[in-house]
Amino acid sequence: DGGITQSPKYLFRKEGQNVTLSCEQNLNHDAMYWYRQDPGQGLRLIYYSQIVNDFQKGDIAEGYSVSREKKESFPLTVTSAQKNPTAFYLCASTIPGAMNTEAFFGQGTRLTVV
Amino acid sequence: GNSVTQMEGPVTLSEEAFLTINCTYTATGYPSLFWYVQYPGEGLQLLLKATKADDKGSNKGFEATYRKETTSFHLEKGSVQVSDSAVYFCALWDLTGRRALTFGSGTRLQVQP
Repeated sequence: DGGITQSPKYLFRKEGQNVTLSCEQNLNHDAMYWYRQDPGQGLRLIYYSQIVNDFQKGDIAEGYSVSREKKESFPLTVTSAQKNPTAFYLCASTIPGAMNTEAFFGQGTRLTVV
Repeated sequence: GNSVTQMEGPVTLSEEAFLTINCTYTATGYPSLFWYVQYPGEGLQLLLKATKADDKGSNKGFEATYRKETTSFHLEKGSVQVSDSAVYFCALWDLTGRRALTFGSGTRLQVQP
């Protein structure tokens, strides 16, 4: 079945450590996105990529980094520079450029700093 | 820039009650509008969408009409069920600007038996 797989589902990080969240899709979508979800704040865009080897900052990119070396993969690294990383992280993909396109979401990764 | 405003929750209803969740938007272009639903511990699923003014999106008994004159896309359902308990997100997609979904803050719906 086609879809988006995020791993791990739960992740614990010590302060000062970098961690990488995985996002893989087999939908053959060109565009991929990372969102952060905090209670009462909805989803905020961290980074997005419309095509392989290209990505743009979203609204809250500070303290995060991404790469897009393959069409099906868009990993997110939460660096030690991110001051408050505890949150629920969602990855999504779409066909770029279509007004009525549906965004497909992974099941999310809950990151907790301990 | 683009923004989406939703009514704050939680919204608590009894089973078979009528549901309205308000959503208004600000956009520089002519966006497509969406409602997504999130069940506990899961990602988001598309509930319905509308791509131009006066379009009505519908799915699973939910409806929303794209009102350009009031920049609104309110979600309605005539008779809610316990299984509708979830968080609902209004979102817009504007191809004239950044090509990514902009979400509202979400509205939690709790349906009691």
